[in-house]
Amino acid sequence: ELKVEQNPLFLSMQEGKNYTIYCNYSTTSDRLYWYRQDPGKSLESLFVLLSNGAVKQEGRLMASLDTKARLSTLHITAAVHDLSATYFCAVAYNQFYFGTGTSLTVIP
Amino acid sequence: GAGVSQSPSNKVTEKGKDVELRCDPISGHTALYWYRQSLGQGLEFLIYFQGNSAPDKSGLPSDRFSAERTGGSVSTLTIQRTQQEDSAVYLCASSLVHSSSYEQYFGPGTRLTVT
Repeated sequence: ELKVEQNPLFLSMQEGKNYTIYCNYSTTSDRLYWYRQDPGKSLESLFVLLSNGAVKQEGRLMASLDTKARLSTLHITAAVHDLSATYFCAVAYNQFYFGTGTSLTVIP
Repeated sequence: GAGVSQSPSNKVTEKGKDVELRCDPISGHTALYWYRQSLGQGLEFLIYFQGNSAPDKSGLPSDRFSAERTGGSVSTLTIQRTQQEDSAVYLCASSLVHSSSYEQYFGPGTRLTVT
């Protein structure tokens, strides 16, 4: 069974700081998704990473994929309060396997 | 166009009762997925449909859970004789076809509480 691990599970950071969320997975896949979930809401797609070395950026978020290391990162630059949410990575391998999520709280 | 819709948005039921959760996928999406999200947890895959067929039912937690899809559109997830551990948010997603190449779009979920 494919396993997807995210860390940290909980992240509290001050506005203006930078941080990285890590997503490790246990088998070969060249397609990885990042989703955002606000409290009480459903999942919103952020990024689709399609190949090794892929990098995508949207605002203060940047996602990358290293298929050889089976690792994806979600980097947050100069965090703002609006980024507070839970972030999930999902590895596509026959079906979607989701990580446990990282609950991010940005403190003013 | 309309996104994935689910109903009801909230459901409170007594232990032992049956419940039906409904998912209406994006028009034209042939693949439909059900997930369960327990409080503070990630997403647990339950079942997927390609058209009206469910090739993989391995994620269903017990034989109290069943799902069907008719007309390649609406799907119903049924939980019989509900237990308190069934309390969770049930999320539905759809994609154009069942393939890792296609993104899944999620509905707002049904929050089920079993008392």
